[in-house]
Amino acid sequence: AQKITQTQPGMFVQEKEAVTLDCTYDTSDPSYGLFWYKQPSSGEMIFLIYQGSYDQQNATEGRYSLNFQKARKSANLVISASQLGDSAMYFCAMRAYTGNQFYFGTGTSLTVIP
Amino acid sequence: NAGVTQTPKFQVLKTGQSMTLQCAQDMNHNSMYWYRQDPGMGLRLIYYSASEGTTDKGEVPNGYNVSRLNKREFSLRLESAAPSQTSVYFCASSEDGTGTYEQYFGPGTRLTVT
Repeated sequence: AQKITQTQPGMFVQEKEAVTLDCTYDTSDPSYGLFWYKQPSSGEMIFLIYQGSYDQQNATEGRYSLNFQKARKSANLVISASQLGDSAMYFCAMRAYTGNQFYFGTGTSLTVIP
Repeated sequence: NAGVTQTPKFQVLKTGQSMTLQCAQDMNHNSMYWYRQDPGMGLRLIYYSASEGTTDKGEVPNGYNVSRLNKREFSLRLESAAPSQTSVYFCASSEDGTGTYEQYFGPGTRLTVT
């Protein structure tokens, strides 16, 4: 069975500081993808970053990077230089490539403090 | 290019009433999904469709039916609404295969069952 765990229900970070949002996953599939989404208070789901299980390097997209530790089955999101607009819910998700399903964690609510 | 559209945006139902949530995508994706989002629960998959004419149950299918009308449209029906179905419903679509094939989400439908 596939499972995503986000253990931080809420996080606070000072503006301009970096923050790490934790995500661990469980799968027996050798080939899978890991995704992070942002959900601001307006409700839409915004795709942030992707990491493939065979990718050798950690993914980066602007201020977002994914700290991928395959042996530990973790895929933490790092946001550098936090901005007030980063305040939102963040969801980690996984897709095992033997199927079409995406599995989501319960999310982390991030608040950026000015 | 509208992406994924959902109607309606808001709906209030009385217990026992029925309704259909509509979803359409214009990105020529094979896979489409219906999720519900409840506080503290993340996104839970109700049903998904890997291609036109096929549907599969997700994590929480009870009380729902779906129809993949064609490649573009995937509808979700509540035959006899219950207060436990009060939630925000998201439709999503994605390409198939391995790689950065993230899900694209609709804006969501906020459903209240009284």
